[in-house]
Amino acid sequence: SQQGEEDPQALSIQEGENATMNCSYKTSINNLQWYRQNSGRGLVHLILIRSNEREKHSGRLRVTLDTSKKSSSLLITASRAADTASYFCATNGYTGNQFYFGTGTSLTVIP
Amino acid sequence: DTGVSQNPRHKITKRGQNVTFRCDPISEHNRLYWYRQTLGQGPEFLTYFQNEAQLEKSRLLSDRFSAERPKGSFSTLEIQRTEQGDSAMYLCASNLAGVSDEQFFGPGTRLTVL
Repeated sequence: SQQGEEDPQALSIQEGENATMNCSYKTSINNLQWYRQNSGRGLVHLILIRSNEREKHSGRLRVTLDTSKKSSSLLITASRAADTASYFCATNGYTGNQFYFGTGTSLTVIP
Repeated sequence: DTGVSQNPRHKITKRGQNVTFRCDPISEHNRLYWYRQTLGQGPEFLTYFQNEAQLEKSRLLSDRFSAERPKGSFSTLEIQRTEQGDSAMYLCASNLAGVSDEQFFGPGTRLTVL
């Protein structure tokens, strides 16, 4: 079974709006990563946040991590049609050797 | 293009046949991972290698599945006696352990079992 769950499962917004998706996980982690997947393609790494970090930025991406709640959020600001994709969070277990992906949020940005 | 390649990209087979997929990771990466992804789900961990050693296997991996990484470079994943439930996208990823947990994914091999 998968470690994490993203919320919402699907999100549809207008271009220029912000998109927020959340991830919850079950066990202690070393870090949490967010990946993006375009339909029928492989995953592309977006950003990694370590368990001792609370917030991280990369371009239009902002990630937060709350280890007490075992949750993370990904904010995409000023969305573009090209941001349309599925977004997954991934955590590595305590040993750090296996990676567990959530169920994903399908984002549609309407031009 | 992440630098990780997988072949074939698509495979259609009949139930009961054996199939083999290949993954070529980024050359300097010592870790290689295999995942399975079904429609609407995230990737599920199957197994991973550090160099040529297979260090962990998922409990989901039945004995019909076997993976190798003979020289610590490319890897193969074989499924014997395929079943319709094996239909999925099989993803390979690699990274450099001790440097970054960021994984670089290949485009995947889509398997359809008829």
